[in-house]
Amino acid sequence: GENVEQHPSTLSVQEGDSAVIKCTYSDSASNYFPWYKQELGKRPQLIIDIRSNVGEKKDQRIAVTLNKTAKHFSLHITETQPEDSAVYFCAASRGNEKLTFGTGTRLTIIP
Amino acid sequence: DGGITQSPKYLFRKEGQNVTLSCEQNLNHDAMYWYRQDPGQGLRLIYYSQIVNDFQKGDIAEGYSVSREKKESFPLTVTSAQKNPTAFYLCASSIGDIGSPLHFGNGTRLTVT
Repeated sequence: GENVEQHPSTLSVQEGDSAVIKCTYSDSASNYFPWYKQELGKRPQLIIDIRSNVGEKKDQRIAVTLNKTAKHFSLHITETQPEDSAVYFCAASRGNEKLTFGTGTRLTIIP
Repeated sequence: DGGITQSPKYLFRKEGQNVTLSCEQNLNHDAMYWYRQDPGQGLRLIYYSQIVNDFQKGDIAEGYSVSREKKESFPLTVTSAQKNPTAFYLCASSIGDIGSPLHFGNGTRLTVT
């Protein structure tokens, strides 16, 4: 089955700087890659996703890039703000199969 | 808010007892899922159901059971066979199509002593 590795497990950045979280996946047939954000004490929520026919997708300050050859994808957050502090999960799936999640990255924005 | 409701928020049980966690959704979603969240281990899939009266095991189904008698409801029973039941349990639903986002409930924190 699919295996998703996520790094780093914790990340601290100064407010206003950029943050990058990276994930690798094992199944070359995976074609859907979402990112979820879980604020402290709250439910995970989808923030952005990308499909295998696209190399990059942006939504305001967040972007996701996908390298199918290397089987890795990354989340980029620019101009970080305190409300970006949360745990971020990447995930991967193929076809209509279930999502496999990474182990999460705890992002802390330092004021 | 509406959407997907898990109850209770906190649950305490003695070792050896079965316990059932509730999950209800009013989103008319076909697919429902149960995840377990442990520190440093991300979200691990326990069971999922893509249609009423059908469900499949996820990656860590041992010691758990589910039912899907109604579209809106997907209860999870943590049995005494589950060796490490203390965890945070998240229920989710989706329309079931590839690329459809998961909508999560607020979770139930189960503590077994």
